[in-house]
Amino acid sequence: AQRVTQPEKLLSVFKGAPVELKCNYSYSGSPELFWYVQYSRQRLQLLLRHISRESIKGFTADLNKGETSFHLKKPFAQEEDSAMYYCALSGAYSGGYQKVTFGTGTKLQVIP
Amino acid sequence: KAGVTQTPRYLIKTRGQQVTLSCSPISGHRSVSWYQQTPGQGLQFLFEYFSETQRNKGNFPGRFSGRQFSNSRSEMNVSTLELGDSALYLCASSRLGTSFTDTQYFGPGTRLTVL
Repeated sequence: AQRVTQPEKLLSVFKGAPVELKCNYSYSGSPELFWYVQYSRQRLQLLLRHISRESIKGFTADLNKGETSFHLKKPFAQEEDSAMYYCALSGAYSGGYQKVTFGTGTKLQVIP
Repeated sequence: KAGVTQTPRYLIKTRGQQVTLSCSPISGHRSVSWYQQTPGQGLQFLFEYFSETQRNKGNFPGRFSGRQFSNSRSEMNVSTLELGDSALYLCASSRLGTSFTDTQYFGPGTRLTVL
């Protein structure tokens, strides 16, 4: 089964500390993986996707197929990074449809 | 450029009724996707429409249906509402239509409460 696991519901870090939001997935093919972010009182927005290999707002994520992980990292947390983060996977054609699965989300709290 | 808009923003219905939610994508975007967000299940993908055709579908019962019009506006319908349908329904639009490899822009959501 296709699955995305975000093991931490809440992650608290101090400002300036490194951040790592964990995402593990279960999928047998070649996945497309994404990170979405939702700031307080704002809309959900795409943060980054692995195929772009981009860095947004200082965040990066590397797809590790061996460990089936797509952890989101930032070397120095800022207060404005406090938000809800969702990992998502797209793949696995089922009945002709591409299945999309989201993790349950991790709330990042950056302590001043 | 105006963002994705959803109407209504809040809705209260009773069990057994049906409901229609509307989503207007960003101008020029041809793909519209719908999601259900609940505290228990998180974010779940409902379906995606591109140029008036459903091209991607999640794992929801047939009570959930949608359509897209020629101007790319989309509606989602839920028939025979159940208490468990209470959720925030999000709509997202994207330009190219291969929505999961293209940037999606989300609307503010419609909060549906079923009593």
